Amino acid sequence: DVKVTQSSRYLVKRTGEKVFLECVQDMDHENMFWYRQDPGLGLRLIYFSYDVKMKEKGDIPEGYSVSREKKERFSLILESASTNQTSMYLCASKSQGATGELFFGEGSRLTVL
Amino acid sequence: AQSVAQPEDQVNVAEGNPLTVKCTYSVSGNPYLFWYVQYPNRGLQFLLKYITGDNLVKGSYGFEAEFNKSQTSFHLKKPSALVSDSALYFCAVEGATNKLIFGTGTLLAVQP
Repeated sequence: DVKVTQSSRYLVKRTGEKVFLECVQDMDHENMFWYRQDPGLGLRLIYFSYDVKMKEKGDIPEGYSVSREKKERFSLILESASTNQTSMYLCASKSQGATGELFFGEGSRLTVL
Repeated sequence: AQSVAQPEDQVNVAEGNPLTVKCTYSVSGNPYLFWYVQYPNRGLQFLLKYITGDNLVKGSYGFEAEFNKSQTSFHLKKPSALVSDSALYFCAVEGATNKLIFGTGTLLAVQP
């Protein structure tokens, strides 16, 4: 069964802390994505990656960075967490040639106090 | 710029009745359109997609969607709703750069 795994389902952090959200996929997909989900705003794209060591900014990259050192792993980094980054974070992947179908992880709910 | 709109925050329907969840889109060129479903505290699951061809697309769990180019719509439908269909539904359009742009979501509540 294909899978996108997000390492942490729930995290609570303090303002100013550095936060790592890890995502691993086992489908050999080239493309990986990080979205945040907020009520009334839907899913907004933070960063995406087409290949190892490649990254592109999405619609809301401010306050975030990413790392893709291996094909299967895509990490989202909050250098200095702030309360407005409290949200649900969703990782997704898809094959290079496939039109559209994303495979999502279960999500990581981050609370910044 | 590509965008999708889901005009209803919530749709209420009785079990056994037909349901429709609305989506309109704005995109240059041919649209690639998608529906996803999210159950509580879970990630999103793919339901169906329209790329080309027949305007009526069938997907998982008995859902279907109708592509209407003149109305720029891609409404999700099901002939007979189940309580277990209660979830958050997202419409999405694929942009030129291989990214999916999502709508704000519609909460479907099916009453027994």
